Amino acid sequence: TQLLEQSPQFLSIQEGENLTVYCNSSSVFSSLQWYRQEPGEGPVLLVTVVTGGEVKKLKRLTFQFGDARKDSSLHITAAQPGDTGLYLCANMDSNYQLIWGAGTKLIIKP
Amino acid sequence: NAGVMQNPRHLVRRRGQEARLRCSPMKGHSHVYWYRQLPEEGLKFMVYLQKENIIDESGMPKERFSAEFPKEGPSILRIQQVVRGDSAAYFCASSPGQMYNSPLHFGNGTRLTVT
Repeated sequence: TQLLEQSPQFLSIQEGENLTVYCNSSSVFSSLQWYRQEPGEGPVLLVTVVTGGEVKKLKRLTFQFGDARKDSSLHITAAQPGDTGLYLCANMDSNYQLIWGAGTKLIIKP
Repeated sequence: NAGVMQNPRHLVRRRGQEARLRCSPMKGHSHVYWYRQLPEEGLKFMVYLQKENIIDESGMPKERFSAEFPKEGPSILRIQQVVRGDSAAYFCASSPGQMYNSPLHFGNGTRLTVT
């Protein structure tokens, strides 16, 4: 069974700082998705990466997929309080079901 | 365009009672997925349904849990004889097609508390 490990588990930084969170797998990702979940709400899909080495940008968010497709990172530039939330990565397994990491809880202090 | 609607948002049940959680998918979506989330954890897959069919229930406990998605009306996740360990947030997601080529849209969850 594939395991997704996210780090750090918790991160609290000041507004304006940069940060990177990671998602690592015990086996190759087939299709990696990043979600953000705000308190009291469901997860919202941010991006899907499929190809090794792929880089996708979403405004101040940059998503990288490792060449070997076993790791991924999310970098946020000039973090804002609105970026606060739980960042989850998920991989689709061979049964087309999503396997989830435990998430990185991010707090941006104004 | 209404998103995925779940109700109730919060549900309190005493041990031994039944909990019924409802999910209305987005308009035009015929695929529904139920997930369970414990605090500070990711989501755990429970069951995948299409209209009137259970496609994959491998993540759902065999006893006390059942799910349906009838031809008319919302999908229902039913938990009989609830125990304290059932306390969690239950999320429903829907998609227009199978997950490998259709993104999931999540509802805001039902938070079940068993006292």
